[in-house]
Amino acid sequence: DQQVKQNSPSLSVQEGRISILNCDYTNSMFDYFLWYKKYPAEGPTFLISISSIKDKNEDGRFTVFLNKSAKHLSLHIVPSQPGDSAVYFCAASATDSWGKFQFGAGTQVVVTP
Amino acid sequence: DSGVTQTPKHLITATGQRVTLRCSPRSGDLSVYWYQQSLDQGLQFLIQYYNGEERAKGNILERFSAQQFPDLHSELNLSSLELGDSALYFCASSVGQGTKTNEKLFFGSGTQLSVL
Repeated sequence: DQQVKQNSPSLSVQEGRISILNCDYTNSMFDYFLWYKKYPAEGPTFLISISSIKDKNEDGRFTVFLNKSAKHLSLHIVPSQPGDSAVYFCAASATDSWGKFQFGAGTQVVVTP
Repeated sequence: DSGVTQTPKHLITATGQRVTLRCSPRSGDLSVYWYQQSLDQGLQFLIQYYNGEERAKGNILERFSAQQFPDLHSELNLSSLELGDSALYFCASSVGQGTKTNEKLFFGSGTQLSVL
C-alpha cells in the first residue's frame, strides 16, 4: 500500500528555469513532510521539510508547498542548476508513528544546459 | 558526509545464502532505520530500532532480521536469499525515536546486494 506517491518518474528542465516536483499522499495522519535528494552511489540527503501547520516553507532556491485538503505537496527549485540533477524523494511521517517515514518512488530530475 | 557508515558497499552472493549488513549511526543518534530500494521502487521501510529495542516494523520479510547492539551499531541479517532480494539497502539514523515533528533521517551510502 503506497501511501506516498510521486507520479512523475522523471523531469527534464532547462538550466535557469523552474523545476516543479509533485507528491501526493493518502494518509491523513501524516503531519510532517520532507524532501530528500539523491545522487548516484550516495545515500539520500535531506533537502527541506514542512510541518502540516504550515503551507509553505522556503530555503534559498527551494520552496515546498503543502495543500492539506488535496493531500498534495510540491517542491519548487528556482532557478534550476546543473548540480540539481538528481533523484528527489518525497517522504511523510505521522507524529505517533514511531518514525515510520514513508517514501515515494522518486523523481529523476535532469537539468539541461 | 552524513556520518552514517554502512559496510560493505557491495555484496555479491548466491541464492540460498545468508549475509549481514552493518550500520553505524551518526554520533549521538539513538535510532537506526533500515530501508530497501529495489529497481524503480521507492525506499521501502523495513525496521527501526531505538536504543537497542525494536520500535517499528514495516514490510520486512520473515527471512530478514535485525538488531541494534549496546554501542548502537545495527546489523541487518538476510537469509535464504532469493534473486528478488537484490536491492540497495540503506541504513539511516536519527537522534530520537522519530516521533517528533522536525526529526530528520540521515542516510548512509547504502549496501548494494546482488543475489545471483
